[in-house]
Amino acid sequence: GAGVSQSPSNKVTEKGKDVELRCDPISGHTALYWYRQSLGQGLEFLIYFQGNSAPDKSGLPSDRFSAERTGGSVSTLTIQRTQQEDSAVYLCASSAASGGVTDTQYFGPGTRLTVL
Amino acid sequence: AQSVAQPEDQVNVAEGNPLTVKCTYSVSGNPYLFWYVQYPNRGLQFLLKYITGDNLVKGSYGFEAEFNKSQTSFHLKKPSALVSDSALYFCAVNTGRRALTFGSGTRLQVQP
Repeated sequence: GAGVSQSPSNKVTEKGKDVELRCDPISGHTALYWYRQSLGQGLEFLIYFQGNSAPDKSGLPSDRFSAERTGGSVSTLTIQRTQQEDSAVYLCASSAASGGVTDTQYFGPGTRLTVL
Repeated sequence: AQSVAQPEDQVNVAEGNPLTVKCTYSVSGNPYLFWYVQYPNRGLQFLLKYITGDNLVKGSYGFEAEFNKSQTSFHLKKPSALVSDSALYFCAVNTGRRALTFGSGTRLQVQP
C-alpha cells in the first residue's frame, strides 16, 4: 500500500516568508507526527496528533510554527516569517492503532526547506 | 528524561564481514527501542524494535539487535555486510511521550 507522502519535496523561500508543508499519512493511521532533521540539532520532535485529541505541541520551537490536521488525515505544518535557522528537512510520520509507545512510526520522504 | 547515545559517528566495515552499530539508552521507565535506516535524500525506514521478551530481535534486510538491560544497550548487528547497507542508522527510544527520541546517527560505510 501507499506510504506516507509529503509535499513539496523541496522548498526554497526567502527569509520572512511563510511556508506550508503537507503530509498525507498512511490510510487508517490515527497518529501523526512531525519531526525536523537538521545538521546542528539532529532529529527533533515537533508535534503529535492522535485522533480528535488536542495535539501535543511541546516540541514546536517557537510560535512561528503551527500545524493542523484536517479530518483526522492530512496535516499541514506552517512556518511563519521564516528564518535561516528554519532550514532543515521536515519529516512526517504516522502510526496505526492508538499511537502508543510501542507502535511503529512510518516516515515520509521529507520536505527539504531552504531559507535564503 | 530519556536519551539515546550513538557513540560512533561512522563505522567502516568490509563487505562480507559482520557489522555492529552501537546504541546505549538512558530512560526512567521501560525502554521501547527502535532502529531506523536513512538512505540519501530519503526518509527513515523502520528496521526493528524491542518491546519486551526475547533480547534478540530480528528485523528487515537481515538485521538484528540485541537488547542488554544491564548494559543499557541495544546494538544493531548483521552477520555479513553488503555494500548496499551503506547508509545512516538511527537508534530511537520511546517511553511514554509517544514521540521518538533519536540518537545522533551513525554512518555505516561498507567497502567492497
